[in-house]
Amino acid sequence: ETGVTQSPTHLIKTRGQQVTLRCSSQSGHNTVSWYQQALGQGPQFIFQYYREEENGRGNFPPRFSGLQFPNYSSELNVNALELDDSALYLCASSSGGGGGDEQFFGPGTRLTVL
Amino acid sequence: QQQVKQSPQSLIVQKGGISIINCAYENTAFDYFPWYQQFPGKGPALLIAIRPDVSEKKEGRFTISFNKSAKQFSLHIMDSQPGDSATYFCAASTGGYQKVTFGIGTKLQVIP
Repeated sequence: ETGVTQSPTHLIKTRGQQVTLRCSSQSGHNTVSWYQQALGQGPQFIFQYYREEENGRGNFPPRFSGLQFPNYSSELNVNALELDDSALYLCASSSGGGGGDEQFFGPGTRLTVL
Repeated sequence: QQQVKQSPQSLIVQKGGISIINCAYENTAFDYFPWYQQFPGKGPALLIAIRPDVSEKKEGRFTISFNKSAKQFSLHIMDSQPGDSATYFCAASTGGYQKVTFGIGTKLQVIP
């Protein structure tokens, strides 16, 4: 059974640019949640996708957007990057949407905005 | 607004000792309280979790104590080992295992 994978591992962008991060969910999971973990902080919930629809959103501006594909993999897009967007971006997959089952985290993508 | 407050932010414990991490929450709608363990370069992994209808849950060397009236919960790691050195997050959610609100984290170092 393959776990949650994320790509790329590291990414460096400049302020104002756009970035796309990718996540492949664990086999059998139909739900993907994205979290932002700033240095020295706990992860913060960005949003969740369940069966290709957004299923809940945290306190993040609209320039953070996402997609989920029919194979349940997911993308996180961030437009107009700001220095404060520098963080580890984690995706977690699970089944059932919302309540459902335990979520399993990937290793994350480290984004640096210069 | 920090909905889940966690302390201490760092902790050094001797091998064989007890590690204690404390958390407090504000939102009484929270009904699931997990603890996550994160090693460098890895995502958080669920360690142990509790529902508010239970005052204590033990799994191996790890115990959660829960005080609903005080809106506090804590993680005790008995017989702490160097392999337990990691960052620990308390967390809370409403209605399930996902969309979790995390605390700031506690970096635990267990020294031989």
